[in-house]
Amino acid sequence: DAKTTQPPSMDCAEGRAANLPCNHSTISGNEYVYWYRQIHSQGPQYIIHGLKNNETNEMASLIITEDRKSSTLILPHATLRDTAVYYCIVRVASYGQNFVFGPGTRLSVLP
Amino acid sequence: EAGVVQSPRYKIIEKKQPVAFWCNPISGHNTLYWYRQNLGQGPELLIRYENEEAVDDSQLPKDRFSAERLKGVDSTLKIQPAELGDSAVYLCASSLDGGNQNEQFFGPGTRLTVL
Repeated sequence: DAKTTQPPSMDCAEGRAANLPCNHSTISGNEYVYWYRQIHSQGPQYIIHGLKNNETNEMASLIITEDRKSSTLILPHATLRDTAVYYCIVRVASYGQNFVFGPGTRLSVLP
Repeated sequence: EAGVVQSPRYKIIEKKQPVAFWCNPISGHNTLYWYRQNLGQGPELLIRYENEEAVDDSQLPKDRFSAERLKGVDSTLKIQPAELGDSAVYLCASSLDGGNQNEQFFGPGTRLTVL
């Protein structure tokens, strides 16, 4: 079973920041938080991951709370192309540890 | 650089028929994964290969599903015979190796419809 809880759906206005929450209250000290997204009719695409520090790349920012029990994926300026299902996954970053996908959050970016 | 290639993209068959899916991972990626994705759900791992060895097939329904990865590169996933409940998208993914923080790269998937 997935170890994360996400809202099933969210809307965001085009050009605004999209803030996608994820609850992982049972996360272990050696588990990373990963985010993937899946655009319609495509396979999932890696976005970002982190352990305890906030992370930023060209796609998004990941904010992890100090107690690591929740995190937020931030798309700073959402576009229509960001409409997708976003998956938050916790995983030990070591050999043999699989990704367990939950149902994710369906983000709709509205014009 | 080419991504993960899967074929066919779509397949429609009648129940009890066999079906096979093919995957070509990213060059140099040792780890290959097959997932099944039902409508409205996230992908579920079926099998993971490290080179040519299946190291995790605990979720593969072995009575009707089989997979192989000859020479540690391309892979095929077979269902024989197919059942109505097998209708889903079958995704292949690869990563540099199965551990550490390496991300998985997914193919576009094969959408199977069993009538």
